[in-house]
Amino acid sequence: EAGVVQSPRYKIIEKKQPVAFWCNPISGHNTLYWYLQNLGQGPELLIRYENEEAVDDSQLPKDRFSAERLKGVDSTLKIQPAELGDSAVYLCASSFSGKETQYFGPGTRLLVL
Amino acid sequence: QKEVEQNSGPLSVPEGAIASLNCTYSDRGSQSFFWYRQYSGKSPELIMSIYSNGDKEDGRFTAQLNKASQYVSLLIRDSQPSDSATYLCAVNDPDYKLSFGAGTTVTVRA
Repeated sequence: EAGVVQSPRYKIIEKKQPVAFWCNPISGHNTLYWYLQNLGQGPELLIRYENEEAVDDSQLPKDRFSAERLKGVDSTLKIQPAELGDSAVYLCASSFSGKETQYFGPGTRLLVL
Repeated sequence: QKEVEQNSGPLSVPEGAIASLNCTYSDRGSQSFFWYRQYSGKSPELIMSIYSNGDKEDGRFTAQLNKASQYVSLLIRDSQPSDSATYLCAVNDPDYKLSFGAGTTVTVRA
């Protein structure tokens, strides 16, 4: 069974530029999560989707971050404009439901210069 | 107060020894608890889940849960160099929002 797929794996951009990350969850997983992980810290939830509905986006900085999960499968996380402090690893995870174990993708490592 | 706290580490143990990792959480209504292993530059990988008080063993790993004390631990027996990684404690709150600790880095000395 294929795991969570993310792309790109690495991204280097200049500040104020836009950037987008893509995630394809494990087949059949209805719940999808985006996390941010800073160096030396645990992942922090940005947004959680149940199918195509964002059920928890309380930690998403909505002035510059946006996300979508059209058709309840793939998801895209966007930052516009990027700031230096956005440099981090962006992890996507999925689970059968919000109550089940989460499985993580390989992450996208973002560096903002 | 952080929702999930772990002993800061780093923890260095000799090969073959027991590594003991501790985690406390603040939400008494939490129902499910997880240990993830994260190798440097990689994503978190689930190694143990525990839902009820007591011990749960899986190979060389034992998770212990004490809900009254709001405490979760992970023991790694017969530690191997391949166990060198950061171990993340994660706790689901009553709304099934997963909160992670900062992680404890374990180094197993050959």
